Amino acid sequence: DTGVSQNPRHKITKRGQNVTFRCDPISEHNRLYWYRQTLGQGPEFLTYFQNEAQLEKSRLLSDRFSAERPKGSFSTLEIQRTEQGDSAMYLCASSYRGPGAYEQYFGPGTRLTVT
Amino acid sequence: SQKIEQNSEALNIQEGKTATLTCNYTNYSPAYLQWYRQDPGRGPVFLLLIRENEKEKRKERLKVTFDTTLKQSLFHITASQPADSATYLCALETGGFKTIFGAGTRLFVKA
Repeated sequence: DTGVSQNPRHKITKRGQNVTFRCDPISEHNRLYWYRQTLGQGPEFLTYFQNEAQLEKSRLLSDRFSAERPKGSFSTLEIQRTEQGDSAMYLCASSYRGPGAYEQYFGPGTRLTVT
Repeated sequence: SQKIEQNSEALNIQEGKTATLTCNYTNYSPAYLQWYRQDPGRGPVFLLLIRENEKEKRKERLKVTFDTTLKQSLFHITASQPADSATYLCALETGGFKTIFGAGTRLFVKA
């Protein structure tokens, strides 16, 4: 299967711990997005990469959140000193920048529970 | 800031009927607007994209309209089936690289 994959699928952590999630986009896609989604809400934009460059980051994102995309392939999202309010589904999506190509392909998400 | 509003109440319809979902946005008009489907516990799946210069777009039983004057998009599912039951999300790019999504409308199709 050549879809977007995310690991782990579920993560339970204690408040104050650091967590890291990984996203592997579709191989030929140069755009990568991270979103956070809570129950009853749509995905909330966190950050965007074009190849290895992080071009946009939500102002809602605190300094505890950081994302990387070394070599323009997979990406990681790290949350430091987790808080209960960080509990959510973290979604990764990728897309291809080309004529008429705008749709995003989402992974299954990583569900984070902070206790 | 750009906002998207979708019907927060669930939509319940009978199998075979047409479901119509609404997406309203504020501020500037996007160059295009997208619709996604999301099933519980899964990531959204792209359905349709409509550009600002297109009034209507169709794909099988799906139809999307885009009225830039009203700042509204309508999403129709004709001959609805129980398998169409899901949450439908409207999304647009804000002019940079940021994509914003509506909260979605839950659709229930009864057999």
